[in-house]
Amino acid sequence: AQSVAQPEDQVNVAEGNPLTVKCTYSVSGNPYLFWYVQYPNRGLQFLLKYITGDNLVKGSYGFEAEFNKSQTSFHLKKPSALVSDSALYFCAVRDPFSGGYNKLIFGAGTRLAVHP
Amino acid sequence: SAVISQKPSRDICQRGTSLTIQCQVDSQVTMMFWYRQQPGQSLTLIATANQGSEATYESGFVIDKFPISRPNLTFSTLTVSNMSPEDSSIYLCSVTAGINTGELFFGEGSRLTVL
Repeated sequence: AQSVAQPEDQVNVAEGNPLTVKCTYSVSGNPYLFWYVQYPNRGLQFLLKYITGDNLVKGSYGFEAEFNKSQTSFHLKKPSALVSDSALYFCAVRDPFSGGYNKLIFGAGTRLAVHP
Repeated sequence: SAVISQKPSRDICQRGTSLTIQCQVDSQVTMMFWYRQQPGQSLTLIATANQGSEATYESGFVIDKFPISRPNLTFSTLTVSNMSPEDSSIYLCSVTAGINTGELFFGEGSRLTVL
């Protein structure tokens, strides 16, 4: 079965320090991988995606993610965290059996808390 | 990008009642998706709504409980029927950014509390 795992419920980091939010996946074939962010009382916003090409993907708000096929991981990173990055982050994989439209399977989410 | 408006943004409902959530998109879209986000949990796809045909429901979700309408290419409704406290969730409408892109645009959600 296709699945996404986010092993950390919460990540705490000091402002200015680098951050990593972990994600591993299990999917048939080549994965389409995504990161979304949810700010309080808001819907989800797309951050970045990996479909093919360079393993390091750059996205919105200075975030990037590294696709590692051998470790089946797609960790989200940022070199210097901001307090405003505090939010709920979801990793997702496209269901390869969803045809041409975009059915996504989401991880459980990781709450990022950036402290001043 | 697509701008998605959902109504209501939040509501408190009594057990046994039904509530209809509306989703309006500022552009014509083929597919609309309805997700549920239970408290402290991830998103689960309820169903996919395609204009002009019956919605396709995911395992564990049935039309009698979550009837969906899709009267045109910019609008959809999700009804949560005969609600119980277990239905307390955020319900999110989303649309695809394009076939095979994998990206979705989301509304801000409708937070339902069932007493």
